[in-house]
Amino acid sequence: QQQVKQSPQSLIVQKGGISIINCAYENTAFDYFPWYQQFPGKGPALLIAIRPDVSEKKEGRFTISFNKSAKQFSLHIMDSQPGDSATYFCAASKSNFGNEKLTFGTGTRLTIIP
Amino acid sequence: DAGITQSPRHKVTETGTPVTLRCHQTENHRYMYWYRQDPGHGLRLIHYSYGVKDTDKGEVSDGYSVSRSKTEDFLLTLESATSSQTSVYFCAISQESPGELFFGEGSRLTVL
Repeated sequence: QQQVKQSPQSLIVQKGGISIINCAYENTAFDYFPWYQQFPGKGPALLIAIRPDVSEKKEGRFTISFNKSAKQFSLHIMDSQPGDSATYFCAASKSNFGNEKLTFGTGTRLTIIP
Repeated sequence: DAGITQSPRHKVTETGTPVTLRCHQTENHRYMYWYRQDPGHGLRLIHYSYGVKDTDKGEVSDGYSVSRSKTEDFLLTLESATSSQTSVYFCAISQESPGELFFGEGSRLTVL
């Protein structure tokens, strides 16, 4: 059972454009939603994370938007640059009970073209 | 960069042979994880550890076992490798759960 559904699988955006990646979750107990970025040949690294007490979090060109009623969250990359070309994973977990594990989406391969 | 070392980084083996992947950390983080990454499946948790000798199963644990005898080392063992276990394996550590995961650089395993 896939608890976090991520789309699209791949995305091509022109330099300077906005990249948008969407995730939907099923477990209403989830309350921690990070995004990880992975470059080829490397392990993923935390990019940005949000908890549902806010509907949006922005760090530089990266923004997470969260819609609790729809059980959806998305990553927006403004002014996309070739250096943003990577695979992005959304994830979700509960945070109240200890020893909670992240459930990852299936990933989005983002390519920024000049 | 977090001090996480995976070994070996690349391995080719035959079906039915045992394989052990090692993860070593220098951060003294409590939690350690093994994930596998496959196209179309993303990152799937195999096993994790929340302390020395304390381990638990993830979502794809069949065919895998783990051991953690020291804080810094987390071993993943495939008792009898199968072609379906061909994958890239990532070790990760975290100070708290849930919390920021720090990943190693991966171990690419090919089972022929």
